[in-house]
Amino acid sequence: GAVVSQHPSWVICKSGTSVKIECRSLDFQATTMFWYRQFPKQSLMLMATSNEGSKATYEQGVEKDKFLINHASLTLSTLTVTSAHPEDSSFYICSIQAFYGYTFGSGTRLTVV
Amino acid sequence: GQQLNQSPQSMFIQEGEDVSMNCTSSSIFNTWLWYKQDPGEGPVLLIALYKAGELTSNGRLTAQFGITRKDSFLNISASIPSDVGIYFCAGRWNSGNTPLVFGKGTRLSVIA
Repeated sequence: GAVVSQHPSWVICKSGTSVKIECRSLDFQATTMFWYRQFPKQSLMLMATSNEGSKATYEQGVEKDKFLINHASLTLSTLTVTSAHPEDSSFYICSIQAFYGYTFGSGTRLTVV
Repeated sequence: GQQLNQSPQSMFIQEGEDVSMNCTSSSIFNTWLWYKQDPGEGPVLLIALYKAGELTSNGRLTAQFGITRKDSFLNISASIPSDVGIYFCAGRWNSGNTPLVFGKGTRLSVIA
C-alpha cells in the first residue's frame, strides 16, 4: 500500500509556542489528506480534510486559526498548532486515501508543557 | 463527529482463544475497514470490506460486511500474545475522497 511518513514522531513544546507537523505521501500523489487527533484511550477524531492547492475543510469545533493546514503539494501536508496549550497535547495522525485504501502515518505525540 | 458503536470496549482472553468484536452504525456504509493500533503508532489496516455480505479472511482474522450495510464483525482465531492492541472499525458512506469514521476501539489483552 501507499507509504505515509509523518514527522516528528514526538515533540514537547512550551505553552504559547507553535509546532509544525509534516505528513508526506512517499509513493502516491495525494490530492487529499486527512488529519486526525486521538486523546489517550480514545478513538481517532477527524479534525480536517486537507486539499492540495485549496483551503482545508475543518470539522465542527476545530478552530481553523489555531490548527493551520497547508497542502502545498501532492506529497506534503502540514499541520501547525499555533499558540499551543496543554489541552492541545494529543496524538495527531495523518492519512491519505490511495487507490487501494486508506493509509495512516505513524503519528505525532505532542506534549505541551 | 459521527462515530460507530463498537463493542466490546475491552477484552481479556487466554492465549489460543477466539475473539469476536463488532461495530454497528445508524447509517448505511459502503465500506467497512478494520484496523489495529499499537501504542504510539498509527492504525494499520487488517481487512477491507466493500460489498454487503462480503466475508474476507486475512490469516487468523475474518471479517464480514453485514447484509444491512450497517454492521460488521471481526473474528480472531487462536489468539497469540502479539494480537494485543486496540482494534478499530472504520467506515465511510460514500465514495470519493471522504474521510473514515472510526469506532471507539476494542482493547484486546491476551494472557499467555
